[in-house]
Amino acid sequence: DAGVIQSPRHEVTEMGQEVTLRCKPISGHNSLFWYRQTMMRGLELLIYFNNNVPIDDSGMPEDRFSAKMPNASFSTLKIQPSEPRDSAVYFCASSSSVQDLPYNEQFFGPGTRLTVL
Amino acid sequence: EDQVTQSPEALRLQEGESSSLNCSYTVSGLRGLFWYRQDPGKGPEFLFTLYSAGEEKEKERLKATLTKKESFLHITAPKPEDSATYLCAVQAILELRDDKIIFGKGTRLHILP
Repeated sequence: DAGVIQSPRHEVTEMGQEVTLRCKPISGHNSLFWYRQTMMRGLELLIYFNNNVPIDDSGMPEDRFSAKMPNASFSTLKIQPSEPRDSAVYFCASSSSVQDLPYNEQFFGPGTRLTVL
Repeated sequence: EDQVTQSPEALRLQEGESSSLNCSYTVSGLRGLFWYRQDPGKGPEFLFTLYSAGEEKEKERLKATLTKKESFLHITAPKPEDSATYLCAVQAILELRDDKIIFGKGTRLHILP
């Protein structure tokens, strides 16, 4: 298996532009997670999908952020409009979660390094 | 407030010099505690899950332990390839809400040859 695939690996954009990050989870996994990692705040969960349904989006910073999972093999995280404070590394992860332990044994992708100028 | 604190922030060891990394947590209820390893420019890689106080897990030179307030990651006779950032995370039980995951900021471990 190729593991979790993310694209693009690097994105540089200007403030105000729309940014779309993409993720393909490991085949057969039923849970997908989007995280953001910065030096100041560490790794933070943005949103968690189970069987393509958003379960917890309390970590999404504001309305500028949105995430979708149209099918079991694809998810997107969109930022519109982007701001310099959105600069971070964004990770997608997937897992075969069980009900009581949805965050167990996650497999992370390589991340997308986003720079907003 | 639920939080996870890792110490030290950074640690330099000579090859073969054993040590321990600490992860202390303050949560209303613990469902599970996870350890991950992260290499520069890569995503975290899962190492262990611990569920209850007294539990221990081992993998090669790493051993994770759990008490009611903290977890330790013991590294025995480390090698340079053990150099990485080690992240601790807890799945916290929330009242009337779904569980949440909280990551610590990690310990950067550097093993000198």
